[in-house]
Amino acid sequence: AQSVSQHNHHVILSEAASLELGCNYSYGGTVNLFWYVQYPGQHLQLLLKYFSGDPLVKGIKGFEAEFIKSKFSFNLRKPSVQWSDTAEYFCAVTAAYNTDKLIFGTGTRLQVFP
Amino acid sequence: DADVTQTPRNRITKTGKRIMLECSQTKGHDRMYWYRQDPGLGLRLIYYSFDVKDINKGEISDGYSVSRQAQAKFSLSLESAIPNQTALYFCATSDIKNTEAFFGQGTRLTVV
Repeated sequence: AQSVSQHNHHVILSEAASLELGCNYSYGGTVNLFWYVQYPGQHLQLLLKYFSGDPLVKGIKGFEAEFIKSKFSFNLRKPSVQWSDTAEYFCAVTAAYNTDKLIFGTGTRLQVFP
Repeated sequence: DADVTQTPRNRITKTGKRIMLECSQTKGHDRMYWYRQDPGLGLRLIYYSFDVKDINKGEISDGYSVSRQAQAKFSLSLESAIPNQTALYFCATSDIKNTEAFFGQGTRLTVV
C-alpha cells in the first residue's frame, strides 16, 4: 500500500523568502502525485499534479514541484512566498494503475509573516 | 453553487447519539469519498464508493457507516458517537481516473 511522509510539520517564513516543502512517498510502482492547499477555514484545492512526462510541474500561484523518482520525492517549491500563501499544504499519492484511493500526508502548516 | 455540498457545516452532539453527515455533488462523478482531518494526522480515508452498489472501507472505517443513495449523494453515519470522533470531516468526489479530487467545505463535528 502507498503512504506519504511530510517531514516539515510547521514552517514559518517572512514574505519574499523561498519555500521548499518535502514530500516522500512509499510505493513500489508507478504513482500519480498531487499537492493540495487548504487556506484557513476553506476546503482543499488542487495546487498541482504529476502523472507523467516532465518531472518539473508548475501549478497555480507560482508554485512548482519536482518529481525525483530515485528519491521517491515530490517536493513543493516557491521562489518568493507571500502572506496570502499562509495555509496548510498536503501531498497526496495514488497508484497509477489503481487510482482507487487518494492517500494524503499529514500536512505542513505554513505561516508567512509580512 | 458549490460543486460539493456538505450538511451540516457544524454539529455538536452527545456521546452515544446517532448522527448523519450528508454530502451531495453536482460534478457528475461516480467516485465519492469521506475523510476525516485531525491536527497533525492529515486526512484519513474513512469510506469510498464508486457507485451506488460499490462501497469500500478506507483506513479508519470502524465506528462509521455510509450510504450511497444516488450517484450524487453519499452520507456518513456515526451510529453511536464517541468523543474521539470529534474532527473535521470532508467529502470529496473525483472522476474515474482520480485526476483531481473536489472537496466540500467540511463538517466540524464535536462529540461531548
